[in-house]
Amino acid sequence: QLQLQESGPGLVKPSETLSLTCTVSGGSISSTSYYWGWIRQPPGKGLEWIANIYYSGTTFYNPSLKSRVTISLDTSKNQFSLKLTSVTAADTAVYYCARQIYNFGDYPYYFDQWGQGTLVTVSS
Amino acid sequence: DIVMTQSPDSLAVSLGERATINCKSSQSVLYRSNNKNYLAWYQQKPGQPPKLLIYWASTRESGVPDRFSGSGSGTDFTLTISSLQAEDVAVYYCQQYYGSPITFGQGTRLEIK
Repeated sequence: QLQLQESGPGLVKPSETLSLTCTVSGGSISSTSYYWGWIRQPPGKGLEWIANIYYSGTTFYNPSLKSRVTISLDTSKNQFSLKLTSVTAADTAVYYCARQIYNFGDYPYYFDQWGQGTLVTVSS
Repeated sequence: DIVMTQSPDSLAVSLGERATINCKSSQSVLYRSNNKNYLAWYQQKPGQPPKLLIYWASTRESGVPDRFSGSGSGTDFTLTISSLQAEDVAVYYCQQYYGSPITFGQGTRLEIK
């Protein structure tokens, strides 16, 4: 059974870099059938897609965050990661990692498996 | 960006009654070459991640009760719960995956009347 687990600091200072890792167990991130993505949810608000990545390294970013975001993967550890630079209080949110269904030649589809999420607070 | 607008923002329905949530996209999410609507629905309970309910606008995810159904095409979609159960209290989101960036509706909060 696939499991995704987010990890990283729960508190980040303004202007610093938020770094999170998602560890995937029960399945391989090298599968050709999936992208792997990050979605965030500010407290009490809705969902915002951040970025996703394929095992080959192909990435998609939300233009609203693209200048500050880097997504990467480590197939040897079955992990993928998120870095968000120059954070402000507006970046305070629960950050989810998720698996995204993909059919070769198309864009990634819906998210069928999610991690439990990790709350990251930006505060001095 | 494709803007997803849900209605209503909140909804209270009696147990056993039908609940209907609407989602409208700012442009069509129907891909004519395969006649598929690139639209999914999720359920999110407090303190939990979203759970996939419906994809391709009307295909129920494995394990999702058949009281949940999705319908619609093009720009207008509906999630219907045919007979509301207490465990269905949650926030429901639609999501389009027709184009990048992926976007979600603002959510609809469903409560028991």
